[in-house]
This record gives sequence, structure tokens and C-alpha cells, in this order.
Amino acid sequence: SQQGEEDPQALSIQEGENATMNCSYKTSINNLQWYRQNSGRGLVHLILIRSNEREKHSGRLRVTLDTSKKSSSLLITASRAADTASYFCATDSQGGSEKLVFGKGTKLTVNP
Amino acid sequence: NAGVTQTPKFQVLKTGQSMTLQCAQDMNHEYMSWYRQDPGMGLRLIHYSVGAGITDQGEVPNGYNVSRSTTEDFPLRLLSAAPSQTSVYFCASSYSPSGSVYEQYFGPGTRLTVT
Repeated sequence: SQQGEEDPQALSIQEGENATMNCSYKTSINNLQWYRQNSGRGLVHLILIRSNEREKHSGRLRVTLDTSKKSSSLLITASRAADTASYFCATDSQGGSEKLVFGKGTKLTVNP
Repeated sequence: NAGVTQTPKFQVLKTGQSMTLQCAQDMNHEYMSWYRQDPGMGLRLIHYSVGAGITDQGEVPNGYNVSRSTTEDFPLRLLSAAPSQTSVYFCASSYSPSGSVYEQYFGPGTRLTVT
């Protein structure tokens, strides 16, 4: 069964606006990761946040993690048309399972 | 570095045929994995390996076999293809010390159709 669930399933915004995607998961984790997938391509790693971290930044990306609510959010600021892609969260559960489990993704469309 | 390479890019099989999807990485990563991606389902883990000679099952292992004889290669075998195995298959590798999985590097994918 899939661990992470992204919300919303689809998001359409104008260039320059911010985009926020959420991820909820079920079990305790070692880390949570966000990936981007352009249409027809492989996934690209964006950012990893460990279970003892609450916020992380990378360029225009900001990720937060709330382990008490078992949720994370990905914020993309000042979005560009090139940010159009699907975004997936993935969790690495505690207990040494050594499995990275992906959610179903959020499809982001940034209109020029 | 080539990163993670997958062959073939496209494949059409008839029901009952067998084939091997190839995956190789040149980053000396111990951890390798296979996923399938179906519309609306995200990525589902098929099999993974934490090092040469060690493999384990993921969420959807039925109908697939793997082996890991070298650090570089992690082939996925379809024993008797079924239409339900029509999907896009991704191989990935990462540096992952025992107990955790870190940033995964993905290959470009193999699009498989079973008729």
C-alpha cells in the first residue's frame, strides 16, 4: 500500500504565483523526499528532509515537515512555466525497511 | 558519468513471452530498485537490492524476478508477460547506508506494452 498521499491531485496557477502541495503519510519515518517528474521522463530528486528537521530550503523550494501530524508541504515560490510537472513525495519508514514509498503525485500546471 | 541507464526504451510483448529489462549505474551505489508507474497510481516498488547478492520484495513483486550479481547491474525479468504488466518501468539507485534510503537517481524508463 502507498504511504504518502499528495493533495491536491492537480493544481493550475499563473506564472509568478506560489504553488503549495501537501503530503500526508501513515507511519513514522526516517526521512521524507520530494521528486519532480516532467512528462515522459524519469523522476528528479528535489529535496530531502529528515524526521528531526522542521523546515528546509533549496532555491525557490521550501519544504516543511510536521511529524506530529504526519504531513509535509512543498512550496514553490514565484513559479515559472518550466515548473510544470508532477510532484511526488516519498517516505522512508523507520524500522529499517529500506523501502522508499511514493505517493500518487500532484500535477502542477503553471500558465504563462 | 552516465548515471542510471535502462534498456530498452520501448518494448512490445505478447502475452506469455518473457524478457529482461536492463538497468546499470556507474555511481557505485549499493542500493538499487525497480518501480512501475501506472496512470493515477504513482510509483510502486517491485523489488530492491541493498548490495550485490542481496535482493528483497517491494509492494508488487508478483510476476517479476531480480538478481544482483554486481554492484553496477540490476536486471528485472518478466517470467510470463501479462497485459496487467503494461506499464512504465523505472530503475533507480542511491547511496543508502543501512536502514535508510536517501536521494534516488532514476533512469529514463522503459515503456512496456503487453498485448
